[in-house]
Order: sequence, then structure tokens, then C-alpha cells
Amino acid sequence: EVQLVESGGGLVQPGGSLRLSCAASGFTVSSNYMSWVRQAPGKGLEWVSVIYSGGSTYYADSVKGRFTISRHNSKNTLYLQMNSLRAEDTAVYYCARVRWSGVGAAPADYWGQGTLVTVSS
Amino acid sequence: DIQMTQSPSSLSASVGDRVTITCQASQDISNYLNWYQQKPGKAPKLLIYDASNLETGVPSRFSGSGSGTDFTFTISSLQPEDIATYYCQQYDNLPLYTFGQGTKLEIK
Repeated sequence: EVQLVESGGGLVQPGGSLRLSCAASGFTVSSNYMSWVRQAPGKGLEWVSVIYSGGSTYYADSVKGRFTISRHNSKNTLYLQMNSLRAEDTAVYYCARVRWSGVGAAPADYWGQGTLVTVSS
Repeated sequence: DIQMTQSPSSLSASVGDRVTITCQASQDISNYLNWYQQKPGKAPKLLIYDASNLETGVPSRFSGSGSGTDFTFTISSLQPEDIATYYCQQYDNLPLYTFGQGTKLEIK
């Protein structure tokens, strides 16, 4: 059974850092595209970042230069290192597996339960 | 950047009604469109991928259609458990994903 479990959220001051983890089971993180998506309180979904199976990484403009997506293959875990955090980064952060067959709309077919990040003084 | 315009932003319907949500892309995205359902306090769930393909395990009352710039998501007969917010999402080169603004569906 595929499962994704996020951790690492919490309260952090503006300018601070936080590292989110997403532990996967039932599939291999390094063989898949993996993504982070966030949702500010009462707002819609916003894509944050993706890491391809080959290791390429991409970011939304709103987090570029501040966030870093990575993975630990032996731990089968995805990470999101968040630096220089701002109040507008406050959101529930979801990790998701992206199903990519080489063509098509690359849907996010499995999601974690989310972890809340609050940036406030 | 590709923009996705989803409408309506909210919708109230009765059990058994046919419900339709539309999503319009600012440029041709072929069939690179997915639909998700999100219930309060829960993670999104994939319902439709590649514009019209039903995800495994999803009830057949859900369907999607369209290509190019105009897409439609339909619930053929609304059930109480379908109360949720629905999002379209496109896949393009960069930025890789763009979500629509969401449609909050309520029971009348």
C-alpha cells in the first residue's frame, strides 16, 4: 500500500528555517517524480516544487532561491528545506507522488496528510 | 505562464442533480489537465487525469472532457459525499503545475 507521511511543520519566526520530511512506503521515491504542494489557510492549492527521478528540480517563482527539494534514497524520504521564511509561506504543505509515464498530464496520484507551517513572530 | 480560470467559484445543488464545472486555460494545453477533489481538512484526491480518464476506484458518476483550452468536469448525479472543493490542474513545461482557483460544492 502506498503511503506518504509528512513531518517537520511547526511555528517559526520570519527569516527562520524549517525542513519538512515526507516518508514514503509502498513505492520507491527515487524512481518517481515527487512534488510539494501547499495550501494557505482558507485558500487554494499552490504547487511549490518537483524533483524528477533523474534528479532535476524545479520551483515556483514564489520560493525559488529560498526552498530546496531533495531526497534520501536509502531512507525513501523526500525533503523540503525552507529558508528565509515569510509570513506568506504559512500553509499546509503536502507531498505528493507524480505519476509520469512519459506523456500526459502527470497527475499527483498519492498525497500525504499534510503538515502545517506557521511563520509568525 | 499559463493561467487557469475555473468557474464557478461556488455552487449549490441538490442530491441527484447534474453538476458541471469548467476550467479554461490561457493557451492550448492539449489534454494535460487533471481534476482533484478536496474535502475539508483532507488532502486532495485525484479523480480525473489527462482530461477524461477516470482514476481507478473513482465512481463512474464523475467524468471529464475537453481539450485545448476548454475543459469540463461533471458529476452526473450528485451524492451527499460529493460535498467538497474541486480543482483543475494543468501540466506544462514551466511552471510545471498550475491549479485553478477551486469550486466549492455545497448541497442545497
